[in-house]
Amino acid sequence: DVKVTQSSRYLVKRTGEKVFLECVQDMDHENMFWYRQDPGLGLRLIYFSYDVKMKEKGDIPEGYSVSREKKERFSLILESASTNQTSMYLCASRAAGALFSTDTQYFGPGTRLTVL
Amino acid sequence: AQSVTQPDIHITVSEGASLELRCNYSYGATPYLFWYVQSPGQGLQLLLKYFSGDTLVQGIKGFEAEFKRSQSSFNLRKPSVHWSDAAEYFCAVGLRGTGNQFYFGTGTSLTVIP
Repeated sequence: DVKVTQSSRYLVKRTGEKVFLECVQDMDHENMFWYRQDPGLGLRLIYFSYDVKMKEKGDIPEGYSVSREKKERFSLILESASTNQTSMYLCASRAAGALFSTDTQYFGPGTRLTVL
Repeated sequence: AQSVTQPDIHITVSEGASLELRCNYSYGATPYLFWYVQSPGQGLQLLLKYFSGDTLVQGIKGFEAEFKRSQSSFNLRKPSVHWSDAAEYFCAVGLRGTGNQFYFGTGTSLTVIP
């Protein structure tokens, strides 16, 4: 069965802290994604990666960075957390292939981050 | 501007009633189209998708969606709603040629009353 896991369901951090959100997939997918989900705004893409050590900015990369050292793991990093980064963070993965003709995105359960 | 619009923020229906959730997109070409459901505290689960061919697509949990090119719409329907369908529903598009990115609507929250 397809599985995308995220290291924490709930996280509380203080302003200025460095925060790591981890995502692991067991499907050998090439593509991995980080979104944040906010009420009334839907899901917005922060970063994605299409291969190990490769990354691309999404729509709202400011204040975030990512790391993909291994194919199965994609980390989102908040270098200095701020209160406006309080949100639900969703990780997703998808197989490579001819555009979307292969499997679609599979999502993890999300991490609800609160920055005080 | 390119966008995915779900005009209904919140919908309430009675159990057993029919349901239609609206989704419109504004992109130059026909995109790939998806509907996801998110139950409370859960990640997103794919309900159905449209790539090409028959414009009426069947999904899981008794849902279907119809692609209407003339209206740039991809509305989700279910003939009889169950209490377990209460969730947040997201429409998403993937642009042909861009490879990786999905664009999501803002979501519609569904409440089901007994």
